[in-house]
Amino acid sequence: EDQVTQSPEALRLQEGESSSLNCSYTVSGLRGLFWYRQDPGKGPEFLFTLYSAGEEKEKERLKATLTKKESFLHITAPKPEDSATYLCAVHPHGGATNKLIFGTGTLLAVQP
Amino acid sequence: GEEVAQTPKHLVRGEGQKAKLYCAPIKGHSYVFWYQQVLKNEFKFLISFQNENVFDETGMPKERFSAKCLPNSPCSLEIQATKLEDSAVYFCASGTSTDTQYFGPGTRLTVL
Repeated sequence: EDQVTQSPEALRLQEGESSSLNCSYTVSGLRGLFWYRQDPGKGPEFLFTLYSAGEEKEKERLKATLTKKESFLHITAPKPEDSATYLCAVHPHGGATNKLIFGTGTLLAVQP
Repeated sequence: GEEVAQTPKHLVRGEGQKAKLYCAPIKGHSYVFWYQQVLKNEFKFLISFQNENVFDETGMPKERFSAKCLPNSPCSLEIQATKLEDSAVYFCASGTSTDTQYFGPGTRLTVL
């Protein structure tokens, strides 16, 4: 069964304290892996798409990487405005479906 | 438009009443997706469309849920005879392909 597991569930950082969020996945085949940011009461905001192992994408203080079994979202020198829930989702390969399978997210709190 | 629009923002229904949610995808996006977010970040895929055609409906509870995407109209998700367990936030997403999906702000449905 296709599955996505994110860790940790919650992470509290001091401003400027770099860290990484993990997304482990089990799928029969991977068409794409997606990172989203969700603020309270809002919809997920698209951050990155990764397609193949070894691929990396960067945006401001965020960098996403992908291996054959997991993805990391590295946050460098975070600021309080980076506080949000970060969601990982996979698009399995094959079959007549285009649904995303989501993890349950990592709630990140960055304290000033 | 440049964002997925969803209406209403909040919807309150008594158990057994009908609920209808609307979604206007980003202009030029031919794929529309509906997800249900319950409890804490648990996203459940419901249905997807390619233009006005159903692409994948494997997540739809067939008895009470229906959805449409008609030309020149917002897409809709309708729940007949709502139940308490239908209380959730319903997200619509759109995309130009089966890959990256851009989410709307959601409709919070409360069934009393």
